[in-house]
Amino acid sequence: SQQGEEDPQALSIQEGENATMNCSYKTSINNLQWYRQNSGRGLVHLILIRSNEREKHSGRLRVTLDTSKKSSSLLITASRAADTASYFCATGSNYGGATNKLIFGTGTLLAVQP
Amino acid sequence: NAGVTQTPKFQVLKTGQSMTLQCAQDMNHNSMYWYRQDPGMGLRLIYYSASEGTTDKGEVPNGYNVSRLNKREFSLRLESAAPSQTSVYFCASATGGGGTEAFFGQGTRLTVV
Repeated sequence: SQQGEEDPQALSIQEGENATMNCSYKTSINNLQWYRQNSGRGLVHLILIRSNEREKHSGRLRVTLDTSKKSSSLLITASRAADTASYFCATGSNYGGATNKLIFGTGTLLAVQP
Repeated sequence: NAGVTQTPKFQVLKTGQSMTLQCAQDMNHNSMYWYRQDPGMGLRLIYYSASEGTTDKGEVPNGYNVSRLNKREFSLRLESAAPSQTSVYFCASATGGGGTEAFFGQGTRLTVV
């Protein structure tokens, strides 16, 4: 089964509102990343947070990580219609010293209504 | 700069046919990945390669084989295609594996009839 599970599966908001997506994972990680996918396109990296960090910001994005609960959240503030996309969390972890796998969650589909 | 290039972009196969999906990156990355994306399932890791000459199974390797031909290229082969392999396939690369940002190709949409 997949490492990450996103919640909610789908989210519809109005332009200007904030959007919050959550990700839960199962095993120990080195880092957690968030990616965005526009319909039918490849994924684009948004932000990476390491396991020893609790919060990180990048522009209108804010990511938190709680390793005790094995969960992360992505907040997009002042959303725009152009933010409409699917958002995925991905966990990177070291298995016995081998190079990291990068395992993705199931994604949240965000629709921002103008 | 091309980044990660996948070929072909679209393919229709008949059940039992074989084909190879090609992926090349020009960023001198060590790690490369193959994922498949199905509706409601997100991306699932098929195989990955930590460095030239090494490959490892991911979450859903059955029915696939891979070759890391050199540092630039990582191919995915379907020996005997099945309808269950209808999916969108993405190749990605990263400098240092799961600890760094991954760059994705535009995907190959494969239909097996």
